[in-house]
Amino acid sequence: DAKTTQPTSMDCAEGRAANLPCNHSTISGNEYVYWYRQIHSQGPQYIIHGLKNNETNEMASLIITEDRKSSTLILPHATLRDTAVYYCIVRFTLNDYKLSFGAGTTVTVRA
Amino acid sequence: GAVVSQHPSWVICKSGTSVKIECRSLDFQATTMFWYRQFPKQSLMLMATSNEGSKATYEQGVEKDKFLINHASLTLSTLTVTSAHPEDSSFYICSARVRGGRSLDTQYFGPGTRLTVL
Repeated sequence: DAKTTQPTSMDCAEGRAANLPCNHSTISGNEYVYWYRQIHSQGPQYIIHGLKNNETNEMASLIITEDRKSSTLILPHATLRDTAVYYCIVRFTLNDYKLSFGAGTTVTVRA
Repeated sequence: GAVVSQHPSWVICKSGTSVKIECRSLDFQATTMFWYRQFPKQSLMLMATSNEGSKATYEQGVEKDKFLINHASLTLSTLTVTSAHPEDSSFYICSARVRGGRSLDTQYFGPGTRLTVL
């Protein structure tokens, strides 16, 4: 699976949009981008995933660049409960179901 | 959404005893479940892949005789830590794979089990 690079940490203000970047320059055509988050002392929570088109659900939006070498997870209106470690994971889904977690980005939402 | 539960949520045991952790998919059937371990201030590390009705596949460096995995039904996988020692103290998390539709292939995680071995 392609390796991802994320900033170690970032702060954002409550009520504002939080934009979380992820670089995956070695991504191949069959690999999807997945985002999970882990709130302290809990299991990871699935957020969103995509291949090449932008995606949106009730939690977030995923913007993938045209060359697919990077993506941005957008939390439209961050709340204090969004404070968590966010993981960007790239994987080939058709025959390998494993998820490889990196260090992720520690996001702190401040009032 | 898909819900995965784990039991117990925390357990304290004496060194040398065995501990069983259950992972259940509550509202879907999971042919594949995964077991992860997470030490303090570290990321999740995959321990093994559990397939219903067959033997688990362990990641390199994980002792299969120490971490026994049973996936006897489509909704239940168990992890037994045998002869636990203090270095086995960790946060154990399971996940279950959901297939189909737009979801393609998504893993949903349980809340985790905190194991402390004295």
